[in-house]
Amino acid sequence: GENVEQHPSTLSVQEGDSAVIKCTYSDSASNYFPWYKQELGKGPQLIIDIRSNVGEKKDQRIAVTLNKTAKHFSLHITETQPEDSAVYFCAASNPGGYQKVTFGTGTKLQVIP
Amino acid sequence: DADVTQTPRNRITKTGKRIMLECSQTKGHDRMYWYRQDPGLGLRLIYYSFDVKDINKGEISDGYSVSRQAQAKFSLSLESAIPNQTALYFCATSDPRDRYSPLYNEQFFGPGTRLTVL
Repeated sequence: GENVEQHPSTLSVQEGDSAVIKCTYSDSASNYFPWYKQELGKGPQLIIDIRSNVGEKKDQRIAVTLNKTAKHFSLHITETQPEDSAVYFCAASNPGGYQKVTFGTGTKLQVIP
Repeated sequence: DADVTQTPRNRITKTGKRIMLECSQTKGHDRMYWYRQDPGLGLRLIYYSFDVKDINKGEISDGYSVSRQAQAKFSLSLESAIPNQTALYFCATSDPRDRYSPLYNEQFFGPGTRLTVL
């Protein structure tokens, strides 16, 4: 089955700096890669996603990149703000009949004011 | 109002007790999921349901059972709780009706239930 590895497990950045979280996946059939943000006391919420036919996607201060050959994808947050502090999960999915989603182990991001 | 709700939000119980966690959704989605979250292990799938008559085991179903009482309700039971089932439990839903919809692959999570088994 699919295995998703995520690094780092914790990340501290100064407000205004950039943050990068990296993930690798094992199943070449995976073709959908979402990123979820989990704020304290809440469930994860989708913030951005990318499909395998796209190499990069951007939404304001966040961007995702995908390298299918190397089987890795990354989340980039620029101009970080205190409200970006949260746990971030990457995931890989092969959206066949079941929509199985395999999550990474999470990255706790702390943005220091 | 929240689209996906979970009750209780917190529960402390003792080893051997039977526990039920409940999930309700107003999104009208057919698919529902139960995950557990442990520090350093991320989110792992316990059970998933495509509709009321279709229930499937996930990667860590041992020690758990589920019931899909209606399209909107999906309950998780621990028949005899043990300490290593102490975790944060999440219910989620998704909408498979349109493969080309941006919502097709998105999962919508409830706020979670923190379960402690002593």
